[in-house]
Amino acid sequence: DGGITQSPKYLFRKEGQNVTLSCEQNLNHDAMYWYRQDPGQGLRLIYYSQIVNDFQKGDIAEGYSVSREKKESFPLTVTSAQKNPTAFYLCASLRGGGDGQPQHFGDGTRLSIL
Amino acid sequence: AQKITQTQPGMFVQEKEAVTLDCTYDTSDPSYGLFWYKQPSSGEMIFLIYQGSYDQQNATEGRYSLNFQKARKSANLVISASQLGDSAMYFCAMSLKTSYDKVIFGPGTSLSVIP
Repeated sequence: DGGITQSPKYLFRKEGQNVTLSCEQNLNHDAMYWYRQDPGQGLRLIYYSQIVNDFQKGDIAEGYSVSREKKESFPLTVTSAQKNPTAFYLCASLRGGGDGQPQHFGDGTRLSIL
Repeated sequence: AQKITQTQPGMFVQEKEAVTLDCTYDTSDPSYGLFWYKQPSSGEMIFLIYQGSYDQQNATEGRYSLNFQKARKSANLVISASQLGDSAMYFCAMSLKTSYDKVIFGPGTSLSVIP
């Protein structure tokens, strides 16, 4: 079955450490997204990518970095510059083309500070 | 700037009753799409319903319908015959077709269905 796989499900970060969250999709979707969700809050867009080797900042990109070297992969690095990284991170993909297709989401990664 | 507003942080509904979850949006793009998602406590995002800005009729999907009022920039979700399994967070989202499929979400509404 096609879908989006996020790993790990739980991740712990030490102070001053960079950590990378994995997101892989086999849906052949063009666009991929990273969102951050704090408890009881909505989804805030961190980065999104329309095509390979191209990505745009969302509303809260500071302290995060991404790459899109392959169509199926869009890893997110939470850098030490992100002082409050504890949150639920969701990756999504979209076929693109603006035809009303919904985003497909992974199951999320919960990141906590040690 | 594009923005989604959901003014009801929490809602309660009696089982088998209908409930309306409010969503208003702000964009200057003439072409956009509006989505509703459900997020149970387990965290996954479940797509419910879609409305395009040029669609003439309100969207319906089973017990879900979308009350789309373009002039008022509102896209309220109506859930008929509420079930206990409908208890979850509900998010309204907007895609901007002229902005490379950037999708933004509202803050969400927590719905609790009471037996």
